[in-house]
Amino acid sequence: AQSVAQPEDQVNVAEGNPLTVKCTYSVSGNPYLFWYVQYPNRGLQFLLKYITGDNLVKGSYGFEAEFNKSQTSFHLKKPSALVSDSALYFCAVRDRRGNTPLVFGKGTRLSVIA
Amino acid sequence: DSGVTQTPKHLITATGQRVTLRCSPRSGDLSVYWYQQSLDQGLQFLIQYYNGEERAKGNILERFSAQQFPDLHSELNLSSLELGDSALYFCASGTNTEAFFGQGTRLTVV
Repeated sequence: AQSVAQPEDQVNVAEGNPLTVKCTYSVSGNPYLFWYVQYPNRGLQFLLKYITGDNLVKGSYGFEAEFNKSQTSFHLKKPSALVSDSALYFCAVRDRRGNTPLVFGKGTRLSVIA
Repeated sequence: DSGVTQTPKHLITATGQRVTLRCSPRSGDLSVYWYQQSLDQGLQFLIQYYNGEERAKGNILERFSAQQFPDLHSELNLSSLELGDSALYFCASGTNTEAFFGQGTRLTVV
């Protein structure tokens, strides 16, 4: 069975500082990994994904994530946070064997303070 | 715009009633996924259809059912509604390496 853990319900960071939102996963095979962001009263917007290749993935709005197979992690990072980054962030995993659904973590609320 | 369309955007109904949520996937996508987002449960996978057939089932209650039609749109039927069914219901479509979400239907059961 697949699962995702986002250990922090809330992350607070000052504007201009680097941010990290943590994600660890469990999957029986090799994973596809995703990050989504949800703004208030909006749907989920795709940020980035890891499919294969370079472990460092760059995505939308200056975000990046590093796939670490040995630690089964896929932490989301940004070098300099903006107030507009404040939102709910979801990590998701899918086993690459077959067309299976995405399994999401519970989400981490990011608050960037000016 | 993700290309996935959900209607209605908002729905308010009474306990015991039945509602139908509709999803039109992105053009060309054969898979449709339904998710429920509630405050204390995060995003829970409900059910997946692929080209008209049920592919995977998650935490879907027996009171809920879904189907995918020949034109690939999907409907999620929720019956005998309870207060606890109040949530945001998302539909997604895509392939193995991508999933695009609609804006969701916010269901309020009163």
